[in-house]
Amino acid sequence: ETAVFQTPNYHVTQVGNEVSFNCKQTLGHDTMYWYKQDSKKLLKIMFSYNNKQLIVNETVPRRFSPQSSDKAHLNLRIKSVEPEDSAVYLCASSQETGISNERLFFGHGTKLSVL
Amino acid sequence: TQTVSQSDAHVTVFEGDSVELRCNYSYGGSIYLSWYIQHHGRGLQFLLKYYSGNPVVQGVNGFEAEFSKSDSSFHLRKASVHWSDSAVYFCAVSAAQGGRALIFGTGTTVSVSP
Repeated sequence: ETAVFQTPNYHVTQVGNEVSFNCKQTLGHDTMYWYKQDSKKLLKIMFSYNNKQLIVNETVPRRFSPQSSDKAHLNLRIKSVEPEDSAVYLCASSQETGISNERLFFGHGTKLSVL
Repeated sequence: TQTVSQSDAHVTVFEGDSVELRCNYSYGGSIYLSWYIQHHGRGLQFLLKYYSGNPVVQGVNGFEAEFSKSDSSFHLRKASVHWSDSAVYFCAVSAAQGGRALIFGTGTTVSVSP
């Protein structure tokens, strides 16, 4: 049963446009993430965020920014999309315990196509 | 820095066969290992994890994995695959402390033929 909800499922846009993807989790978790999955299925962490700290993968271009209104929501904004931004963006959440973030729950993903 | 590698990009098996998917990691400290499955067009789903204790861990749907510190490995196995096991399987690693995000391997695509 899905507990991490992402919208939209698909988005097609042109180079230079701004896009925003939404993510909501209903699990009461305190940490959320955005991963980028490319056409070869490679997964890269972009951001992890809880109410204490935002951790940014240093390789993420500055046109990407996370936006959070509360711990159940973590949106992703891309200020001016580039062709290489075409990918599936996966949102996930977890509950931090004393032993790392034990298990991630993923949404179904938002597929972005940049023309 | 943790790294994880999956040496097999694609594995093809027949329904009812056993399968083993390989995962090797490198990290000097306490480590947390897990496996996830991704069906086509879906997000990843958790299969199992290892942090400490019994090196053989059981997961959902008949999957199990065995941790080996000497080999730096965490291979996933299933004794008898079903067509619905066709998916991409990801091994993941993170430092055991610090709440760090999981780092995923490159994935192994499993195709189960009838």
